[in-house]
Amino acid sequence: QKEVEQDPGPLSVPEGAIVSLNCTYSNSAFQYFMWYRQYSRKGPELLMYTYSSGNKEDGRFTAQVDKSSKYISLFIRDSQPSDSATYLCAMSEASWGKLQFGAGTQVVVTP
Amino acid sequence: SQTIHQWPATLVQPVGSPLSLECTVEGTSNPNLYWYRQAAGRGLQLLFYSVGIGQISSEVPQNLSASRPQDRQFILSSKKLLLSDSGFYLCAWRGGTGADEQYFGPGTRLTVT
Repeated sequence: QKEVEQDPGPLSVPEGAIVSLNCTYSNSAFQYFMWYRQYSRKGPELLMYTYSSGNKEDGRFTAQVDKSSKYISLFIRDSQPSDSATYLCAMSEASWGKLQFGAGTQVVVTP
Repeated sequence: SQTIHQWPATLVQPVGSPLSLECTVEGTSNPNLYWYRQAAGRGLQLLFYSVGIGQISSEVPQNLSASRPQDRQFILSSKKLLLSDSGFYLCAWRGGTGADEQYFGPGTRLTVT
């Protein structure tokens, strides 16, 4: 079993819809959680960073962490075609520790 | 602000040739540095990480090596490339005087022919 599980998709949604992405993990020591967006042939771009449990909002993006369920989510409101990309979750035990990545979910937002 | 550079952006090399990829970080001191490889349609594989000058940890036994000659410079090398070394190589940094988040460079696309 992988430490971090993420559905690879593809996830196809119409423009304007809410995109819901999630990852589950098995290591209860994870405390630092990140979401990245990766466009084709580009390096991953950090979208959201959260520590421990709770919600964090930044513009159209909301990240949620539920440590009791070992489950993290990323929501994208009012999705745009420019949101079409692969979204990677990542997490670590320590603030400078090695990140464990999910496999990434491909998202396609259709006009 | 911090920035991370990688070069070259693309590289086509024959099997058996040497390799040197370079990564430099600006705007932070004493960061952790990482090399990842991403095969087509696959996830990120951590190859090496470094917590300081001259300190290299290898995650996966392979045909590659890494070095950190300066605080903000990380180099990925190979003496003889294999076809299986083809992929998208990403450098990343975390910590130091910058942040707890991890940031990636733009990547180098390597094709071994």
